[in-house]
Amino acid sequence: GQSLEQPSEVTAVEGAIVQINCTYQTSGFYGLSWYQQHDGGAPTFLSYNALDGLEETGRFSSFLSRSDSYGYLLLQELQMKDSASYFCARGGGGADGLTFGKGTHLIIQP
Amino acid sequence: NAGVMQNPRHLVRRRGQEARLRCSPMKGHSHVYWYRQLPEEGLKFMVYLQKENIIDESGMPKERFSAEFPKEGPSILRIQQVVRGDSAAYFCASYSGTGDGYTFGSGTRLTVV
Repeated sequence: GQSLEQPSEVTAVEGAIVQINCTYQTSGFYGLSWYQQHDGGAPTFLSYNALDGLEETGRFSSFLSRSDSYGYLLLQELQMKDSASYFCARGGGGADGLTFGKGTHLIIQP
Repeated sequence: NAGVMQNPRHLVRRRGQEARLRCSPMKGHSHVYWYRQLPEEGLKFMVYLQKENIIDESGMPKERFSAEFPKEGPSILRIQQVVRGDSAAYFCASYSGTGDGYTFGSGTRLTVV
């Protein structure tokens, strides 16, 4: 089967760093993607890890360890506009589609 | 580049009516996916289509739901005889095939009254 687990809610302070973890169980693995979704908005692509290690894109980084079936999204220098839901998803490197976790609601306090 | 276009943005239907949701993928994208999202939930895969072909419909209910992506025009997700449980946000995504992520439309919020 395919399931992805992530915390339902994380709270952090503006300017700080926050890490959102994602563990997965899947019979076939096609990489791990991360998407951001603001309330009422569309999911937007943040990053994709096909191989182990860290991918950095500006303030956002994503990490993958295939041997541990684990990944995380790291957000640095948090801004109020980063308040959103963040979804990890299996897939993203091919046309097979995405299987999403239930999402982590990130709350940022001033 | 207009992105993935979905319409309508909001749709209200009475129980038993039909709902038609439209999606035009990004220019040059030939892969289209439909997802359903309930409040406070993740997105659940419904169907994957390419032009004139359904590639994977494993996430779509067997009854009342159908999808198409004709040679010309947008992809259509059709829900017949809607029930209150169909109320959700329906998102369409398209993919270029080059590994640069999936692009989502703004969704259609369906409310069944």
